[in-house]
Amino acid sequence: GIQVEQSPPDLILQEGANSTLRCNFSDSVNNLQWFHQNPWGQLINLFYIPSGTKQNGRLSATTVATERYSLLYISSSQTTDSGVYFCAVGNSNSGYALNFGKGTSLLVTP
Amino acid sequence: EPEVTQTPSHQVTQMGQEVILRCVPISNHLYFYWYRQILGQKVEFLVSFYNNEISEKSEIFDDQFSVERPDGSNFTLKIRSTKLEDSAMYFCASSGTSGSGYEQFFGPGTRLTVL
Repeated sequence: GIQVEQSPPDLILQEGANSTLRCNFSDSVNNLQWFHQNPWGQLINLFYIPSGTKQNGRLSATTVATERYSLLYISSSQTTDSGVYFCAVGNSNSGYALNFGKGTSLLVTP
Repeated sequence: EPEVTQTPSHQVTQMGQEVILRCVPISNHLYFYWYRQILGQKVEFLVSFYNNEISEKSEIFDDQFSVERPDGSNFTLKIRSTKLEDSAMYFCASSGTSGSGYEQFFGPGTRLTVL
């Protein structure tokens, strides 16, 4: 399957700081999604972004499909942003099954 | 807003027992998926289901596992004889087809504890 590497594995920020999370993948993809896993374990959809750039409030994401990476930007971080951020990719060769990275664990302190 | 629902939220069972995890996908979606997440680890794909048959499965999805769409709304995952290592959070997901329709939406999960 497609290999997915996320960095950094852990990140501690003070409230108000900005951060960039990276996702590298090993093959061409038809689907790339970013999720936030909250403390209750729920996977919250952030972006569906197999290519291009999207923004939603303080979050934005960019995927450069030709270079096989995606970036998630968090600006003016808040304590509620804490949790694990997963990148997941899939393509038609595998029936669109998502391959997840190991995630970036983010802690935002007051 | 439509959402994927799962029941139960938490299931405790004895090793060797059968469990059935239930999911109601988003109503106009055509692809259905099961994933699992062992505590502290990444989310792993188990199986995808389309047009009333399995379209893809992982190595984890062995003969102990089966899926079914018993009616027009439910999608189930059965584990025939649970093992300790089956303890995990199980997520159901669904998606449409074509373009952004392939975006997968996840349910809240069922936490399975095998004793």
